[in-house]
This record gives sequence, C-alpha cells and structure tokens, in this order.
Amino acid sequence: EAGVTQFPSHSVIEKGQTVTLRCDPISGHDNLYWYRRVMGKEIKFLLHFVKESKQDESGMPNNRFLAERTGGTYSTLKVQPAELEDSGVYFCASSQVLGGNNEQFFGPGTRLTVL
Amino acid sequence: GEDVEQSLFLSVREGDSSVINCTYTDSSSTYLYWYKQEPGAGLQLLTYIFSNMDMKQDQRLTVLLNKKDKHLSLRIADTQTGDSAIYFCAKGGNMLTFGGGTRLMVKP
Repeated sequence: EAGVTQFPSHSVIEKGQTVTLRCDPISGHDNLYWYRRVMGKEIKFLLHFVKESKQDESGMPNNRFLAERTGGTYSTLKVQPAELEDSGVYFCASSQVLGGNNEQFFGPGTRLTVL
Repeated sequence: GEDVEQSLFLSVREGDSSVINCTYTDSSSTYLYWYKQEPGAGLQLLTYIFSNMDMKQDQRLTVLLNKKDKHLSLRIADTQTGDSAIYFCAKGGNMLTFGGGTRLMVKP
C-alpha cells in the first residue's frame, strides 16, 4: 500500500511569488490534514479535511493560504503571495478513522524556502 | 491553548537506554503519541497511549504517563545507532499538538 506522498519535495521561490503544494493521501482515507514546521519550531496544525469538506481550519495563519480538496482525493495548499516567514516544512497526513485512536500517517513533507 | 514541551537534544551510547521526556498543559482525556522522524522522511508513529493508562510497553519501547504531573516519557531500551532521529510527542484527537522534537544522537 502506498503511503502519503507530497510534491514537490523542495521548493525555492522569491517573496511575492505563488507556490502550490500537493498531497496525495493513502487511498480510502477520508481525513486529510496539513501541518507545518517553521524555523525549527513546533509542528503546527493548519487544517483538516473530511473528504472534500473543511472540518477545521483554525490553524490557517492568514488568507494568503488556500487549501482545497476537490473530489475528496488529493489536496493542494496554495500560498499566494509567499512571504519570508512562510519558509518551513509542510507536512500532510491522512487517517481512516475519525476520533478514537486517530492514527495519522504522515508524508515526507515539502520544504519551502522563500527568499 | 495547549502547550507541549520537550528537551531539544539527547545523546546516549549504543546499548544504553534512552529516555525522552515531554510535558503538556491540557489535562483533557485524549491520546498521546510518539513519532519518529528520520532525515528526509516523514513522521513515523512509534506508539501511543490513552490518557487513562499509566504505562504501555511495545518491544524496546516503554511509554510512561504521569497524569498528575502531565508528564510523558518514552524509554528506548538497548538503543541502537538506527534509533538516531528526532522524536516528537504529540497530543490530541483530530488536531495534533506537537512538541518541538528531541534530537536523539546515538554514539557507537
């Protein structure tokens, strides 16, 4: 069974540009999460999809970030325009069960560098 | 909000036991997790414990939970060089709250 995949693995862009990150969850997982780790700090929750619906987007930092999951399969996270403080590693995770021991399977992350 | 804290760094010799500690502030009942991140890889779930448990053992891993002190620890017995990685504790249900990670270095 394929794990969670993320694309690209690395992205280097200039301040003001747009970047789109993609996440493909494990097949059949309705729950999809985005997290990020900025400047070596804690991994912070961004948002949670259940199928194509946003269940919780309380962690989204501002309106420069837009997440979508059309069709309830893969998800994209767009940053427009990117700022220096957006640099970090963006992780995607997916899970099958909501609540209980909600084991989340993580992808390898996308390292975003904004110059 | 919830705070989860860990020490930044731990160095042990191969064959020794490693103990990685984590403290948290919110005492609500939930699951607590330990994740391992190797270079270039994602977060791998090692083990978890529910907050009504005190201890869980899984092969070389022992998780201890002190609910009174809001303290969680991960003990790795007979630590190997392959255990070198960053270890994250996390708390929650759907939205996980992570500690900053502890970098474990195992010296031969």
